Amino acid sequence: SAVISQKPSRDICQRGTSLTIQCQVDSQVTMMFWYRQQPGQSLTLIATANQGSEATYESGFVIDKFPISRPNLTFSTLTVSNMSPEDSSIYLCSVTGVETQYFGPGTRLLVL
Amino acid sequence: QKEVEQDPGPLSVPEGAIVSLNCTYSNSAFQYFMWYRQYSRKGPELLMYTYSSGNKEDGRFTAQVDKSSKYISLFIRDSQPSDSATYLCAMSFNSGGSNYKLTFGKGTLLTVNP
Repeated sequence: SAVISQKPSRDICQRGTSLTIQCQVDSQVTMMFWYRQQPGQSLTLIATANQGSEATYESGFVIDKFPISRPNLTFSTLTVSNMSPEDSSIYLCSVTGVETQYFGPGTRLLVL
Repeated sequence: QKEVEQDPGPLSVPEGAIVSLNCTYSNSAFQYFMWYRQYSRKGPELLMYTYSSGNKEDGRFTAQVDKSSKYISLFIRDSQPSDSATYLCAMSFNSGGSNYKLTFGKGTLLTVNP
């Protein structure tokens, strides 16, 4: 399986600010995914990021709030914009593997 | 009705016990079924992967899929304190392609007491 790293691992931010989360994979992958894991809730897909095309967002998530970049086959960023306390969550990136998806360690975000 | 239902627990068992974790789902189009294990402050790691109905065994872990009942299970034999984690079920319609996505249960928190 691919080795996935995320930066930052955690952060505390003020409301109204933005945070960019980085996801780095040790091998080239076609599809990368961004998920949100809120306390007591299911892991929820935010968007799918393919290199060379715009990200595809799931219902309830919009590009203005969660802009995504995918400049090459090993890297992606997710920005959480104009944050509110409701954005406090764990954000995870994942990539497709031989059988299914493999996840990074996550970024723990607290918005005050 | 949510697409995937999973009892969040918590579930506490003594070391050596057999653990049964379960999920039900509503969409019969799901074809691929997975169990992930997530330790505290870590990302989910894939434990088991099955396609369609049937059983799959890997060491102390057995995954079962009953598509007629829309019910999947994960059994852990001879449970160990190191098995203490949150277990997430997940499923998908396909295994790749432009519309590939996983739908997760909420996860069950398991504690195995020494």
